[in-house]
Amino acid sequence: EPEVTQTPSHQVTQMGQEVILRCVPISNHLYFYWYRQILGQKVEFLVSFYNNEISEKSEIFDDQFSVERPDGSNFTLKIRSTKLEDSAMYFCASSETSKGSGANVLTFGAGSRLTVL
Amino acid sequence: SQKIEQNSEALNIQEGKTATLTCNYTNYSPAYLQWYRQDPGRGPVFLLLIRENEKEKRKERLKVTFDTTLKQSLFHITASQPADSATYLCALSQGGSYIPTFGRGTSLIVHP
Repeated sequence: EPEVTQTPSHQVTQMGQEVILRCVPISNHLYFYWYRQILGQKVEFLVSFYNNEISEKSEIFDDQFSVERPDGSNFTLKIRSTKLEDSAMYFCASSETSKGSGANVLTFGAGSRLTVL
Repeated sequence: SQKIEQNSEALNIQEGKTATLTCNYTNYSPAYLQWYRQDPGRGPVFLLLIRENEKEKRKERLKVTFDTTLKQSLFHITASQPADSATYLCALSQGGSYIPTFGRGTSLIVHP
């Protein structure tokens, strides 16, 4: 069964450092997402990406975050200068359908746990 | 403000019984609602989707209902098994955006 793969599974970094989290979405999917989950809290939407540009973003996704699809397979989330409160599990997801079909089912990766010290 | 509420207390049931989980929402007009399963340290896994004009959906031992008047969805697992133990997340998608917004989830523990 096709899956979304994420690397690294766990990253420990110092406050203020830049971090890049990588994702390989399912190959025939057109829509890509990043969500995060702080320990014990809900899964929160960060950003969605379609056709090489951001289609929606949440208030959490401020100037320290950026996303990129550098080639035909990878989808990355960059955090420019990490803060303690960025410690969370970051999930990449992808979906194949468009908004108009009204059935936006997401396939999630296993997540990348980010620990900021 | 918009809210998606799921019971924060864990649901403990005996194997073989039916588990019923609740998702209530306020200030949403969802085009559809989804249920996902999340195991510790893992990403959510899609289970079922129900649209605003549907009352009930079934898949094997799973059943979901959707009452847009009550602003509530119920998720049932019949003949529950210990392997069903996980956190179950409700996610709403509104027309125009369709980005799923998740509730906090309810932990289900099925005892042998």
